[in-house]
Amino acid sequence: QLQLQESGPGLLKPSETLSLTCTVSGGSISSSSYYWGWIRQPPGKGLEWIASIYYSGITYYNPSLKSRVVISVDTSKNQFSLKLSSVTAADTAVYYCARLVNLNDPLSWFDPWGQGTLVTVSS
Amino acid sequence: EIVMTQSPATLSVSPGERATLSCRASQSVSSNLAWYQQKPGQAPRLLIYGASTRATGIPARFSGSGSGAEFTLTISSLQSEDFAVYYCQQYNNWPGTFGQGTKVEIK
Repeated sequence: QLQLQESGPGLLKPSETLSLTCTVSGGSISSSSYYWGWIRQPPGKGLEWIASIYYSGITYYNPSLKSRVVISVDTSKNQFSLKLSSVTAADTAVYYCARLVNLNDPLSWFDPWGQGTLVTVSS
Repeated sequence: EIVMTQSPATLSVSPGERATLSCRASQSVSSNLAWYQQKPGQAPRLLIYGASTRATGIPARFSGSGSGAEFTLTISSLQSEDFAVYYCQQYNNWPGTFGQGTKVEIK
């Protein structure tokens, strides 16, 4: 059964860089033909798609965050990662990683999801 | 960017009753629409994709319909475990976007 788990610091100061890693278990990132993605949810609010990546390194970014976001993949560790620079309080959210279901498609529905990790930006 | 609008924001329903949730897209998304259920402190759970196909393990009381820009999620007979927030998501145009959610609460 495929499982995803987010990890990374839970508290950042304004202007710092958020760095999160998603570890995939129960399946191999490199042997599959799926895209993998990051989604975030500010407290009490809705969901926002941040970025997606293919095992080969092909990336797609939400234009609203593109200037500050980098998504990467490490197939040797079966992980993919997110970096968001120059964070502000508006970046406080639960960050989820998830698999996009359609093969070879960066635009798909998500399943499964990681449990999510809360990142708080505060001075 | 396609804007997804869900209505109502909150739906009060008694157990055993039917719940009908709406999702409208600012332009056509064909049938490229998914529905998720989210309970407090949990990640979203996929219910429906392709506007009307139930995901694996999802009970038959959940059904999705619609195409183009108008979509509906129907829960035929609400069970206690169905009280949650429901989100729609379009994946027709980049970036995929989500609705703001409908909270289904106990009446």
